[in-house]
Amino acid sequence: AQSVTQLDSQVPVFEEAPVELRCNYSSSVSVYLFWYVQYPNQGLQLLLKYLSGSTLVKGINGFEAEFNKSQTSFHLRKPSVHISDTAEYFCAVSHRSNDYKLSFGAGTTVTVRA
Amino acid sequence: DGGITQSPKYLFRKEGQNVTLSCEQNLNHDAMYWYRQDPGQGLRLIYYSQIVNDFQKGDIAEGYSVSREKKESFPLTVTSAQKNPTAFYLCASSDRVGYGYTFGSGTRLTVV
Repeated sequence: AQSVTQLDSQVPVFEEAPVELRCNYSSSVSVYLFWYVQYPNQGLQLLLKYLSGSTLVKGINGFEAEFNKSQTSFHLRKPSVHISDTAEYFCAVSHRSNDYKLSFGAGTTVTVRA
Repeated sequence: DGGITQSPKYLFRKEGQNVTLSCEQNLNHDAMYWYRQDPGQGLRLIYYSQIVNDFQKGDIAEGYSVSREKKESFPLTVTSAQKNPTAFYLCASSDRVGYGYTFGSGTRLTVV
């Protein structure tokens, strides 16, 4: 079974500063990796996903993530955040052996301040 | 536009009552899922269905029931056996390949 650890529960950051959200997973097999964003009282929206190929994945709203197989990590980055990036971010993993069901991390709350 | 519709957005339930949360999708996805979200705990899987007339328990199925009579619909019933039902409930769907989910906007259930 896969598990996902998001290493930071809260990340405060100033507007226009860079941000990195850390995600590690545990699995002995190849997995698919995802980052989702959730704004208050809303559903989750897909930011980006890694299925195969290039380890650097670009997503919506200027976010990108890098898959590192040796470190079993999938960290999310944005070079310059906006107030509107204030939200909760979830890392998730899936695999064929688990019928592609997503397993989610506990989430990281990003608060952007002016 | 294709998507997932959850209703109602807010729901209040008295102790001892069953309530049903609606989830409808027009994405032609085979698989549908119900998650429960509590602060600081991420999303926990309640039930999922990969095909009509079939569904499986997730990690926290006790006190919940589902049906999948149509491809488009996957309602969740929160029964009186669920000891702590107050939470945010999210429905999602995916195609069988499983390249990520599409989520609804959620239902916030409060027991009063």
